Amino acid sequence: AQSVTQLGSHVSVSEGALVLLRCNYSSSVPPYLFWYVQYPNQGLQLLLKYTSAATLVKGINGFEAEFKKSETSFHLTKPSAHMSDAAEYFCAVSGDNNNDMRFGAGTRLTVKP
Amino acid sequence: ETGVTQTPRHLVMGMTNKKSLKCEQHLGHNAMYWYKQSAKKPLELMFVYNFKEQTENNSVPSRFSPECPNSSHLFLHLHTLQPEDSALYLCASSQARGTGELFFGEGSRLTVL
Repeated sequence: AQSVTQLGSHVSVSEGALVLLRCNYSSSVPPYLFWYVQYPNQGLQLLLKYTSAATLVKGINGFEAEFKKSETSFHLTKPSAHMSDAAEYFCAVSGDNNNDMRFGAGTRLTVKP
Repeated sequence: ETGVTQTPRHLVMGMTNKKSLKCEQHLGHNAMYWYKQSAKKPLELMFVYNFKEQTENNSVPSRFSPECPNSSHLFLHLHTLQPEDSALYLCASSQARGTGELFFGEGSRLTVL
C-alpha cells in the first residue's frame, strides 16, 4: 500500500521568506509523487509532479520539489513566499496501474505581511 | 478552468431528501473519481470508474450511490444522508486509472441538516 505523511498541518512564514513544506512517502513500487494546491472554495490544482525523470522538479508559481529516495521524501520549496501563496497544500502518491492516488492530510500555509 | 465541471457548487438538504451531484469532464479521460473532503481529515477516495466500470468502492455507505453513464459524466446520488456527511465532494478525472495526474473540479459543498 502507498501513503504519504505531511509533517505539520500548519506552516506560517513571512512574505519573502523561504517556504518549506515536508512530505514523506511510503511505496512498495517506484512512486509517482505530486503536490497539489487548494485555494478557498476551489478544487485541487496540480503544482508539480515527479514521474521518475529528473529528481528536482520545477512547478508553477515558482515552486519546486526534490525527490530523495534515500530519505523517502518529496519536500516542496519556494525561495520567496508571496501573499498569494496562502492556501492548503497536499502531497500525493500513486504507483502503477490500479494504484489510485493517495493524499496526505494537507498543510495550510499562512503568509504574513 | 480544469476541464472538469461540477454542479451544483452548493447544496443544502434535509436528511430525508434525495439529491444528486453531477460531474462532467471535457478532457477525453477514461477514469473518473469521487473524493470526500471533510474538515481536518485527508481526502477520502470514495469511488473509481475506469472505462465506465466501477473498479473501487472504499466501503462507502449505501446512502451514496454512484452512476457513470459514459466516460464523460459521473453522478453521485444522495439519499437519507446524515449530518456527518456534510463535506466538500470533489470529482476528478485522469487518462486512465493509475496513470498519474488527476484533474479536479471545484467541488460541491454539501450541507446536511
